[in-house]
Amino acid sequence: GQNIDQPTEMTATEGAIVQINCTYQTSGFNGLFWYQQHAGEAPTFLSYNVLDGLEEKGRFSSFLSRSKGYSYLLLKELQMKDSASYLCAASENQAGTALIFGKGTTLSVSS
Amino acid sequence: NAGVMQNPRHLVRRRGQEARLRCSPMKGHSHVYWYRQLPEEGLKFMVYLQKENIIDESGMPKERFSAEFPKEGPSILRIQQVVRGDSAAYFCASSARQGASYGYTFGSGTRLTVV
Repeated sequence: GQNIDQPTEMTATEGAIVQINCTYQTSGFNGLFWYQQHAGEAPTFLSYNVLDGLEEKGRFSSFLSRSKGYSYLLLKELQMKDSASYLCAASENQAGTALIFGKGTTLSVSS
Repeated sequence: NAGVMQNPRHLVRRRGQEARLRCSPMKGHSHVYWYRQLPEEGLKFMVYLQKENIIDESGMPKERFSAEFPKEGPSILRIQQVVRGDSAAYFCASSARQGASYGYTFGSGTRLTVV
């Protein structure tokens, strides 16, 4: 079956580092996405991994292990504005036209 | 360059009425995707359209729901005879080429409440 699992909530303090984990089970696989979604707003694209390894983009990095069905999003030097929901999504078909999303991880950053 | 525009932002309908949700993709984007987000649930794929064609509607309920993307104008998601279970946020995304790996851009969604 299809399943994306990620923690429901996480908390952290400003300046810290946080890692949000995601495990997935899909019948096919063509990439793993991370999106950020502030309350009441559109999901915005953060990263896309299709090969194993770490992709770094500024304060955000994303890791993928295809053999383990596992990904994580690493956020460094946390800021208050990073408080949001982080969505893990897998592309199941080669065309990448239908993403399977997890329920999202709500991150709360405090001072 | 405006992003993906969805309207209305909020829509309230009584049970049995029709709901029409509109999505104008980003300029130059001809691929449109609709997703539904139920309370406490993740986004669920509904339908993928290109201009004048439905390419994949595997996630759309067979009854009461329909989608179109005409040659001119926005994409429309239509829900007939709405029920309370249709209350959700409906998001539209667009891309210049097929597939999310080329860059999906989401709209801010339409929040449908059925009373």
